[in-house]
Amino acid sequence: DAKTTQPPSMDCAEGRAANLPCNHSTISGNEYVYWYRQIHSQGPQYIIHGLKNNETNEMASLIITEDRKSSTLILPHATLRDTAVYYCIAPGNTGKLIFGQGTTLQVKP
Amino acid sequence: EAGVAQSPRYKIIEKRQSVAFWCNPISGHATLYWYQQILGQGPKLLIQFQNNGVVDDSQLPKDRFSAERLKGVDSTLKIQPAKLEDSAVYLCASSLSATPETQYFGPGTRLLVL
Repeated sequence: DAKTTQPPSMDCAEGRAANLPCNHSTISGNEYVYWYRQIHSQGPQYIIHGLKNNETNEMASLIITEDRKSSTLILPHATLRDTAVYYCIAPGNTGKLIFGQGTTLQVKP
Repeated sequence: EAGVAQSPRYKIIEKRQSVAFWCNPISGHATLYWYQQILGQGPKLLIQFQNNGVVDDSQLPKDRFSAERLKGVDSTLKIQPAKLEDSAVYLCASSLSATPETQYFGPGTRLLVL
């Protein structure tokens, strides 16, 4: 399982895009990158995952660099309800989710 | 589609008492996970089941923690006897298969050991 590194905290203005970075320089060629978030007092929630190509769903976009050493989760129009801890995880072939400290995103009005 | 159900949502016990948590995964999900989340930290995997068999229990403190998934559907996690440091949120998650698959989490059980 590749180690991931994220900034401990970020702020974002409501309505603006939130760009959350993640470094995973030791990721192997067939390891996916997963993003989960955890809103206060709730269980973690799956957001998106990707391997090589950029991905988009109804919640977010995931941009993965060509060398796959880093990625960025983009919330295009952040709302107050997006305030949460965001986890970037590379579970590897075991699928085991190893949660780090994540990035605490504070969306401000 | 119903999500992962957990009960109770909150539990307060005294140290050395025993406690049990229950989890019902999403229908059809073969893999079930129990996580422990201590305040201020990310969740930590305690045990993973594939159907009714244990896949990974390397992080489970087996002297006091036990878990079972007898019929391959719902699961219970027990702590006996509880210690102060067991105060945490216990999260259950499920996925269609083992790896790599999206995991869906329940709301968790918040345990306070006094």
